[in-house]
Amino acid sequence: KQEVTQIPAALSVPEGENLVLNCSFTDSAIYNLQWFRQDPGKGLTSLLLIQSSQREQTSGRLNASLDKSSGRSTLYIAASQPGDSATYLCAQHRTSGTYKYIFGTGTRLKVLA
Amino acid sequence: DAMVIQNPRYQVTQFGKPVTLSCSQTLNHNVMYWYQQKSSQAPKLLFHYYDKDFNNEADTPDNFQSRRPNTSFCFLDIRSPGLGDAAMYLCATNQGGRHNEQFFGPGTRLTVL
Repeated sequence: KQEVTQIPAALSVPEGENLVLNCSFTDSAIYNLQWFRQDPGKGLTSLLLIQSSQREQTSGRLNASLDKSSGRSTLYIAASQPGDSATYLCAQHRTSGTYKYIFGTGTRLKVLA
Repeated sequence: DAMVIQNPRYQVTQFGKPVTLSCSQTLNHNVMYWYQQKSSQAPKLLFHYYDKDFNNEADTPDNFQSRRPNTSFCFLDIRSPGLGDAAMYLCATNQGGRHNEQFFGPGTRLTVL
């Protein structure tokens, strides 16, 4: 069974810290990997999409990397702010000929002012 | 500009009373998804459409049905809601290519009394 794991499940950091969120997947066949942010009671907001042919993507203070051989992706957040507090989810789009995504259970981030 | 719209945002129904949730999109995307998300859990795919081609997940209960009358709209029907069906229901779209992003709506919070 293909799985996507996110570690840690929860993280609390002081404002200004740089931090790394991890996403591991068991199925190395991958079209792309997408990172999302979810605020409490809200839908998912797309942050970054990394194609299988890419190693990383950047948007502002966010940088996501993809290592297919090790089955890992990381989301780097620079100079964290209280407004970054949310749950971060990664989702793997597999190459099995479907349009299905497998989601991780997320990392709940709290940035303290 | 809203791209994936869900109505209503909050829905309260009684045990066993049928309910319909609505999703519309302005992106003209081929693929539409319905996910169920319970507290602190990953979104769970219920089914998805590629155009009019319906794809049901093996573990989606028969109590859940879906309709996609045209490209823009997709409905989730819960025929006899139980207490365990209380959750956030998320609609998402994808253009349908190998490397495309998923876009989510704001979700509908379903409460079953």
